[in-house]
Amino acid sequence: DAGVIQSPRHEVTEMGQEVTLRCKPISGHDYLFWYRQTMMRGLELLIYFNNNVPIDDSGMPEDRFSAKMPNASFSTLKIQPSEPRDSAVYFCASRQSGREDTEAFFGQGTRLTVV
Amino acid sequence: SQQGEEDPQALSIQEGENATMNCSYKTSINNLQWYRQNSGRGLVHLILIRSNEREKHSGRLRVTLDTSKKSSSLLITASRAADTASYFCATATGRRALTFGSGTRLQVQP
Repeated sequence: DAGVIQSPRHEVTEMGQEVTLRCKPISGHDYLFWYRQTMMRGLELLIYFNNNVPIDDSGMPEDRFSAKMPNASFSTLKIQPSEPRDSAVYFCASRQSGREDTEAFFGQGTRLTVV
Repeated sequence: SQQGEEDPQALSIQEGENATMNCSYKTSINNLQWYRQNSGRGLVHLILIRSNEREKHSGRLRVTLDTSKKSSSLLITASRAADTASYFCATATGRRALTFGSGTRLQVQP
């Protein structure tokens, strides 16, 4: 398996524009997570899915953020409208099961810059 | 809020020396994981230690866990320049999503 695949790797956009980040989890993994990493706040969990269903979105900062998982092999994180404070690295991760002792596999991340 | 907090925040050592990083957490856990992040990359799982274990080894890595103090340490022995990275502890308590600490940035000078 190629691992968790995220696209794009880098995104530069102007404030107010819509941004869509994409993720393909590892095949057979039932859990998918979206994290955001910044110097100030570290790694924050935004939302996670189990079998394509959102389980916990309490980390989504505002209504400007939305995430979907239309099928087991694809998820999107959308920011509309984007703001400079959304600039961060966004990671997608997948996990085979919900058991606490299973490891998470991370994608390479999308570095988002909103100017 | 961060479940785990690592210290030191940054550590610089010479190649061949040992590197020790500490993690403290707040709630009861069943296990604790350590991850590594190279610059510009995603996190990679290193090792997991269960709450009924006090110490675990994997190659040059040694992890300890003290549940009474809610703390864990990661020791990298005989460090190499390639060990330069950030290291994070992570726990999952019922939410089934890992919560990560603030990380320790390790710089190994060749």
